[in-house]
Amino acid sequence: DADVTQTPRNRITKTGKRIMLECSQTKGHDRMYWYRQDPGLGLRLIYYSFDVKDINKGEISDGYSVSRQAQAKFSLSLESAIPNQTALYFCATSGSGTGTTDTQYFGPGTRLTVL
Amino acid sequence: GQSLEQPSEVTAVEGAIVQINCTYQTSGFYGLSWYQQHDGGAPTFLSYNALDGLEETGRFSSFLSRSDSYGYLLLQELQMKDSASYFCAVRGGATNKLIFGTGTLLAVQP
Repeated sequence: DADVTQTPRNRITKTGKRIMLECSQTKGHDRMYWYRQDPGLGLRLIYYSFDVKDINKGEISDGYSVSRQAQAKFSLSLESAIPNQTALYFCATSGSGTGTTDTQYFGPGTRLTVL
Repeated sequence: GQSLEQPSEVTAVEGAIVQINCTYQTSGFYGLSWYQQHDGGAPTFLSYNALDGLEETGRFSSFLSRSDSYGYLLLQELQMKDSASYFCAVRGGATNKLIFGTGTLLAVQP
């Protein structure tokens, strides 16, 4: 079984709809991240969480919210989806020590299309 | 803030050696990482350098010069399966986050 799983893998929705992307991990890591990938722009950090009670905004948090339900679960919500949120979304996890923080393990991604 | 610069595309032939460069700017520095991503797939960790010098892992090596804010990924004995995007990432700054470059698309030709 995969260490980091994401659901759904693909989603098509309409403008204005609320969408939740879910991420689960079995690596026992404290740190979890949500990234967005657009062609030519690399990976941009949306939100990150260093433990269950710690949530932080990343580079591009506007229009998104997150919930860390447990150490193993970190969900990303789009409260009112808009077309420019069409992208590939990745969840990732890492340990908390020097070096281990830089070794991030990514889920398979969710391809989201907002019409 | 933090920023990274790497070439957008590199082409090489099977069996050759290719070097992908990365320069970075950050107000604080913990380390430089490299990730590989095949088309449509998830990024996977390749290497991490916190200190100056060369780190070797099989056919892949990564180099760091902190004084020059520069690093590179060296891929030897290229194989077709090495065709992918390669991202450098730096952790630094006040927030200690990992920031990714925009990626280098490596095309390995027969």
